[in-house]
This record gives sequence, structure tokens and C-alpha cells, in this order.
Amino acid sequence: EDQVTQSPEALRLQEGESSSLNCSYTVSGLRGLFWYRQDPGKGPEFLFTLYSAGEEKEKERLKATLTKKESFLHITAPKPEDSATYLCAVQARGSSASKIIFGSGTRLSIRP
Amino acid sequence: DTAVSQTPKYLVTQMGNDKSIKCEQNLGHDTMYWYKQDSKKFLKIMFSYNNKELIINETVPNRFSPKSPDKAHLNLHINSLELGDSAVYFCASSQVGQVYGYTFGSGTRLTVV
Repeated sequence: EDQVTQSPEALRLQEGESSSLNCSYTVSGLRGLFWYRQDPGKGPEFLFTLYSAGEEKEKERLKATLTKKESFLHITAPKPEDSATYLCAVQARGSSASKIIFGSGTRLSIRP
Repeated sequence: DTAVSQTPKYLVTQMGNDKSIKCEQNLGHDTMYWYKQDSKKFLKIMFSYNNKELIINETVPNRFSPKSPDKAHLNLHINSLELGDSAVYFCASSQVGQVYGYTFGSGTRLTVV
């Protein structure tokens, strides 16, 4: 069964303190791995799509990387406005239409 | 102009009632979804429609019935509401072949009392 596990569940950092979030996945052939950001009271907002091992994507202070078993979201010198829940999701090749399976997220808090 | 809009944003109702949530997207996408997010923030797919045709129907009680009158709209009707139905329900849309994943609405917080 396709599965996504994210760690840690919660992470508190000081402003400027870099760190990484982990997303481990089990899927029968990966079509794509997605990272989303979710702010309280809002829907998830798309950040990145990664398709194959070795691929990297960057956006401002965020960088996503992908291996055959996991993905990392690296946050460099974070600011308080980076505080949010970060969700990882996978889409399996050959899965029902375009179903995307989500992990339970990492709640990131950045203290000023 | 909101890309994916859901109404209502909040819904408080008593057990046993029937309620509906509406969703509309103006992105021209061909596929729409309903997801349920529980208290632990876990997002789980419920249904998906592609051009008005049901293509994903996960293990969901048959009290939940989606309806898509056209590819821009996907509504969710819930009969005989139960306490366990309390959650945030998200509508989303996507286009086959696009690289941007899903576009989500802002959610409907359903509270059953």
C-alpha cells in the first residue's frame, strides 16, 4: 500500500537556524512527489513537484530534494513567516486517475 | 479572483441533519476532488471527478454523496450527520499533465454537535 511518513511531527527553530524536514515514502512506482505549505485556516498551497531521484527544486529559502525512498525539504536561514505546516504527498504511477496521498505534515515554528 | 472557492467556510449542525458543501473552480481544470482533514491534520481523499465523471471513490460511508453538475463545480452532500463527520473538508482541482499538483480551496470546517 502506498504510504507517506513525515518527520518530525513538529519543529521549533530560532530565526536563522537552518534545518531539514523529512518525507519517507513507499509507492509502487513514483509519478511525482509534491510539497505543500499549509497556513492555519487555509488550504494547502503548492510549493514543488519532484519526479525522479536526484532532482532538486528551490524557492527562496526552501530547497526540496528527492531520493528513491525519501525527500527532504531544507530550510535555510528561516524567518518567522516561514512558520506553517509542510505537507508531503506522492502520486503513484498507474494509481487511480490522479490520486495524491498525503503525509500528516510537519508543523514548523520559527521564533524571532 | 478566488481560484477554488468553497461555501460555507464554517458549518455547525446537529447530529442527524443533512447538509451540503459547494465548490467552484475558475481555473479551467478538468478534475476536482474532495479531501477530508481530521484533527491530526491528516488529509485523506474522498472523491474525484474528471469532466463530471466519478473516477475515485474511496472507502467513504454512503451518507456522503458527491455531485458534479459541470466540470467547474463539485458539491458534497452529507446525510444523517454523525459526530465523527466533524472535520475540515477541502475541495481541490487539477489539470491532467500539469506540474503544479492540486489547487486547494480554503476549506469548510464542519462541526457536528
